[in-house]
Amino acid sequence: GAVVSQHPSWVICKSGTSVKIECRSLDFQATTMFWYRQFPKQSLMLMATSNEGSKATYEQGVEKDKFLINHASLTLSTLTVTSAHPEDSSFYICSARDGNDHTEAFFGQGTRLTVV
Amino acid sequence: GQNIDQPTEMTATEGAIVQINCTYQTSGFNGLFWYQQHAGEAPTFLSYNVLDGLEEKGRFSSFLSRSKGYSYLLLKELQMKDSASYLCAVMDSNYQLIWGAGTKLIIKP
Repeated sequence: GAVVSQHPSWVICKSGTSVKIECRSLDFQATTMFWYRQFPKQSLMLMATSNEGSKATYEQGVEKDKFLINHASLTLSTLTVTSAHPEDSSFYICSARDGNDHTEAFFGQGTRLTVV
Repeated sequence: GQNIDQPTEMTATEGAIVQINCTYQTSGFNGLFWYQQHAGEAPTFLSYNVLDGLEEKGRFSSFLSRSKGYSYLLLKELQMKDSASYLCAVMDSNYQLIWGAGTKLIIKP
């Protein structure tokens, strides 16, 4: 299957700082990328959908000024958690979909963010 | 509203068979997915059903009935490594994935 690389796998940052997470599709062009957040023992919660070259669409309740998404190319989307706080600590996962193939979304490895 | 229901937790014995059910109500239907997720890891793809019937892939099989809004994932010859959460997700008319809360499967020796 296609490969989606997410980096970093884990990060610890101080409260008030910003953290950038990268999501790359390595062997296909991802016209759409999804960013999820997952709390322990809970399912994936869609945060936003990003389409290459346009602004991301955020789900209700997700602050777009806090979670900045940039999808500047067909192989890269970034999520920046700005002014992070301990409550932002979570597992963040991206997934990418080939524009012409709706049968599967490929997931990155996930990023464990801990804000101290 | 859109809704995906699956049991929260199931327990089974190594070597046995287990069936994880998923019922759904969504705005349109463009396929149903099953993913496996081990703790602390991202989900991995198991199966995709868009037509009614049973899809078999090794020890895992997935069944779909669109008229009933129902699917199940069948795991045979259970192994300890199958202990994980199993996520059911439906792709709606906008090609967005609607996720169930996941079923935690515990395998006992």
